[in-house]
Amino acid sequence: EIVLTQSPGTLSLSPGERATLSCRASQSVRSSYLAWYQQTPGQAPRLLIYGASSRATGIPDRFSGSGSGTDFSLTISRLEPEDFAVYYCQQYGSSPFTFGPGTKVDIK
Amino acid sequence: EVQLVQSGAEVKKPGESLKISCKGSGYNFANYWIGWVRQMPGKGLEWMGIIYPGDSDTRYSPSFQGQVTISADKSISTAYLQWSSLKASDTAMYYCARHSTVGTTHNWFDPWGQGTLVTVSS
Repeated sequence: EIVLTQSPGTLSLSPGERATLSCRASQSVRSSYLAWYQQTPGQAPRLLIYGASSRATGIPDRFSGSGSGTDFSLTISRLEPEDFAVYYCQQYGSSPFTFGPGTKVDIK
Repeated sequence: EVQLVQSGAEVKKPGESLKISCKGSGYNFANYWIGWVRQMPGKGLEWMGIIYPGDSDTRYSPSFQGQVTISADKSISTAYLQWSSLKASDTAMYYCARHSTVGTTHNWFDPWGQGTLVTVSS
């Protein structure tokens, strides 16, 4: 089973700042089969990024994903008020398709 | 519009059985893998397993194998998650979610259902 580790656990930033979230896998994720999701309180997760770097439909271009192998990242170029949430990475290259523990982005 | 609508919140006692549902609409239900994700109170997302309604091929996470049963009835476009004997530790929000691409096993989840809160307490 591939274990995903996300860092930092919590990121405290101000609106307008840049956020960089990390997701590291215990073994290589084949074909960059990695997705990122955003979850706000009381809501279901929402897909942001798939294939490590492709934005989902309707996702603003301030969100970008990169990486391959075991190291991936999600960058939010300028934080908007609605971006303060928890972000999860998920690998779907090897069953079980595990999630990372999440990074909370909160307001500084 | 593609939609997944889950059944309502449940309150059960330890030892009871339960089956929750997830009804898909707006697409050919049989042709997309659909899965279940657990979120315990204040915790992260856990991938439980997926099913292909077309032939009921099912994959479980080892953490959930034998603990739950995932099934689907393609005739009514509905997937299910069931327990034969609930424990207090099964208290969680359960989400269903569909694979984004038709027929593809290795895929991301999009869209998601609204979640079903299961509370197990004596």
